Amino acid sequence: DVKVTQSSRYLVKRTGEKVFLECVQDMDHENMFWYRQDPGLGLRLIYFSYDVKMKEKGDIPEGYSVSREKKERFSLILESASTNQTSMYLCASSGSRTLNYGYTFGSGTRLTVV
Amino acid sequence: TQLLEQSPQFLSIQEGENLTVYCNSSSVFSSLQWYRQEPGEGPVLLVTVVTGGEVKKLKRLTFQFGDARKDSSLHITAAQPGDTGLYLCAGLLVGSGAGSYQLTFGKGTKLSVIP
Repeated sequence: DVKVTQSSRYLVKRTGEKVFLECVQDMDHENMFWYRQDPGLGLRLIYFSYDVKMKEKGDIPEGYSVSREKKERFSLILESASTNQTSMYLCASSGSRTLNYGYTFGSGTRLTVV
Repeated sequence: TQLLEQSPQFLSIQEGENLTVYCNSSSVFSSLQWYRQEPGEGPVLLVTVVTGGEVKKLKRLTFQFGDARKDSSLHITAAQPGDTGLYLCAGLLVGSGAGSYQLTFGKGTKLSVIP
């Protein structure tokens, strides 16, 4: 069964901490995405990557960075966590040859910054 | 401006009722997907429609892609409590080009089916 695995389901971090969210996919997908999901705001794209070591800013990149050193792994980094980054974070992947077939999402990480 | 508008935003119905959720845009999409998301989980792909006018059925769920590929609908017959969740539509814009792999998402319809 194909999978996108996010390292943590729940995280609680303190303001100012550096936070790493990890995402691994086993489908050999070229494209990987990080979204945050908040009530009333829907899914908002933070960053995406269409190849190893490539990254593109999404709609809300401020306060975040990403790393893609290997094809299967895409990491989201909160440089200095703030309370307004409390959210549900979703990782997704897709294949460039199967764009019409949508994304595979991970189960999400519920991050609380206190 | 939201590229994909979903309606209604919230829907609460009794078990056994029928319902329709809409996804509308002024833009043309090369494909459109529907996802269902349960609380605390990531969205799960239900279906992809590619051809204008296409209709796909998944048990009690019927998906339709508009003739002009600008809109879509999801119809559920005899809703069950297990249908409860957030339904998201998402599409790949025509002319996105080989360098753009982003889906455009609607904000979702939150469905509650009461036993």
